[in-house]
Amino acid sequence: GAVVSQHPSWVICKSGTSVKIECRSLDFQATTMFWYRQFPKQSLMLMATSNEGSKATYEQGVEKDKFLINHASLTLSTLTVTSAHPEDSSFYICSARDQVETEYFGPGTRLTVT
Amino acid sequence: DAKTTQPPSMDCAEGRAANLPCNHSTISGNEYVYWYRQIHSQGPQYIIHGLKNNETNEMASLIITEDRKSSTLILPHATLRDTAVYYCIVRLYNFNKFYFGSGTKLNVKP
Repeated sequence: GAVVSQHPSWVICKSGTSVKIECRSLDFQATTMFWYRQFPKQSLMLMATSNEGSKATYEQGVEKDKFLINHASLTLSTLTVTSAHPEDSSFYICSARDQVETEYFGPGTRLTVT
Repeated sequence: DAKTTQPPSMDCAEGRAANLPCNHSTISGNEYVYWYRQIHSQGPQYIIHGLKNNETNEMASLIITEDRKSSTLILPHATLRDTAVYYCIVRLYNFNKFYFGSGTKLNVKP
């Protein structure tokens, strides 16, 4: 199947700083990518839909000014967690949809805010 | 919101078939059924999807009932590496987002 990568795989940052997470589709072009977060022992929760060349669409309750999404190319979307706080500590997962509408997920990024 | 119902956990003996049920009684005519699994601390892995016909690939088989209100994912010969949380999701093709439910934790035991 298609491959989606994320970088970094884990990151520790101090409270108040910003963290950028990259999501890349390695062998296909993705006009649409998605960002999820997952807390321990819980299911994935959709945060936002990232469309190449346009603004992201955020799910209800997700702060767009805190979670900045940029989808600058057909193979790259980035999520920036601004002014991170300990409650933002979570597992962030991206996905990319290929031309036949199958969604492939990245390996995830574990964010710990101290 | 998730439109599917799955048992929270199931056990399966290694080498035996694992049959994971999913209820999607409110599915509409043009919604597909997708199955993914998530091994601990990894991103979900695509398994299979279907609309109304049964589907099979190298990983699994998907059996969808005639009324499409439920489906079963079959792993023909479960191994220890198949231990994971399995998610059943319904979605309109070429349109909608994925909303994950709670999934089924499959424990494959030696």
